[in-house]
Amino acid sequence: AQKITQTQPGMFVQEKEAVTLDCTYDTSDPSYGLFWYKQPSSGEMIFLIYQGSYDQQNATEGRYSLNFQKARKSANLVISASQLGDSAMYFCAMREGLFPMDTGRRALTFGSGTRLQVQP
Amino acid sequence: DAGVIQSPRHEVTEMGQEVTLRCKPISGHDYLFWYRQTMMRGLELLIYFNNNVPIDDSGMPEDRFSAKMPNASFSTLKIQPSEPRDSAVYFCASNLPGQRNTIYFGEGSWLTVV
Repeated sequence: AQKITQTQPGMFVQEKEAVTLDCTYDTSDPSYGLFWYKQPSSGEMIFLIYQGSYDQQNATEGRYSLNFQKARKSANLVISASQLGDSAMYFCAMREGLFPMDTGRRALTFGSGTRLQVQP
Repeated sequence: DAGVIQSPRHEVTEMGQEVTLRCKPISGHDYLFWYRQTMMRGLELLIYFNNNVPIDDSGMPEDRFSAKMPNASFSTLKIQPSEPRDSAVYFCASNLPGQRNTIYFGEGSWLTVV
């Protein structure tokens, strides 16, 4: 079974508007972390935001926020006030077994990505 | 601070040749990961190391692939012999103990096997 599902292969958004990129995950581990990465056309993977499974509040980093709904196993990325430079691939990823002791499962599992295009 | 450094950035090689990709993790990071990205399969974990010791190599596709980490500041991923289906972007990433929320990637090595 897929551990990370991103159902939107592509999204369009107008400049200055907000956009939500969907991510659902599957795990039986109570302790895990969820990540979002941005991959522009130049190819590098840029870390954006992190949410721990025990974090009480939704993570925010500047214009990025993570809408974490634990019961639904969803971790959607919200980008506010989109900019042309936000056009890129966005990947959701999960890392299991983080607490209370790191079990060594430190590798990330990635979703298939969503290509976001910001239109002027 | 320097990030994860990978070399070469781009390589074009002929089928059958040996390919060596290199990675220098961020200083002090004790976990190092090798990922491969293709259009068909997305981002796949190949292998990862902790304190220079391979922990999980179940993602290494076959015996043609090998990875080493002789010291804390250097790792290699070798493909011998290379095949056209190995064409992909190979990423190296590293992680600092206690910072479970940060895994930093290098810029990737774009490999084309013709």
